[in-house]
Amino acid sequence: GQQLNQSPQSMFIQEGEDVSMNCTSSSIFNTWLWYKQDPGEGPVLLIALYKAGELTSNGRLTAQFGITRKDSFLNISASIPSDVGIYFCAGRWSGNTPLVFGKGTRLSVIA
Amino acid sequence: GAVVSQHPSWVICKSGTSVKIECRSLDFQATTMFWYRQFPKQSLMLMATSNEGSKATYEQGVEKDKFLINHASLTLSTLTVTSAHPEDSSFYICSVTGAGARDNYGYTFGSGTRLTVV
Repeated sequence: GQQLNQSPQSMFIQEGEDVSMNCTSSSIFNTWLWYKQDPGEGPVLLIALYKAGELTSNGRLTAQFGITRKDSFLNISASIPSDVGIYFCAGRWSGNTPLVFGKGTRLSVIA
Repeated sequence: GAVVSQHPSWVICKSGTSVKIECRSLDFQATTMFWYRQFPKQSLMLMATSNEGSKATYEQGVEKDKFLINHASLTLSTLTVTSAHPEDSSFYICSVTGAGARDNYGYTFGSGTRLTVV
């Protein structure tokens, strides 16, 4: 199936640093989402974006829906150890269509 | 957001046996449920889309006779892995959405089921 291009694949950062990851697609999406997955758990929604150009924050997390509707980024500010996990971007066309996922960004935070 | 319960969390079964995984939407009517499979260190891959009261739509390469999906009610969908083999060992995750639900309800996932076939 289709997958989104997500980068970087992995990151090792010091606690307190900011993190940035992004996702691109060859297709247009009407909704972009960012999830975090901890080991052995299902993905948990962090931020949902519904409009091109939209910039949304959730605590230390900020995400933007690209103006072309083919990309999105997620920033995490002042990282902490509990930010460790795998972050996935996902796109959706409309209605009850399934999500298309990126390959994930594995984040490691060094205290 | 929506509450989705997936059961069991993990299961170990012998090769050749069948395993049933349940996905329940606890607080709204899920007209559509999605089933994903995730192999270690990989992303989620869609297996099938299940609409209440009708046959599931399977993605290319997913055997419908092996992965039986039943969505008989608005709150429950089941995935049965029939005649399981070691290569079916994976993490299976459901996701729900529903007509009339708040838009972000459509993005809620279950906690996943780790299947190990020995």
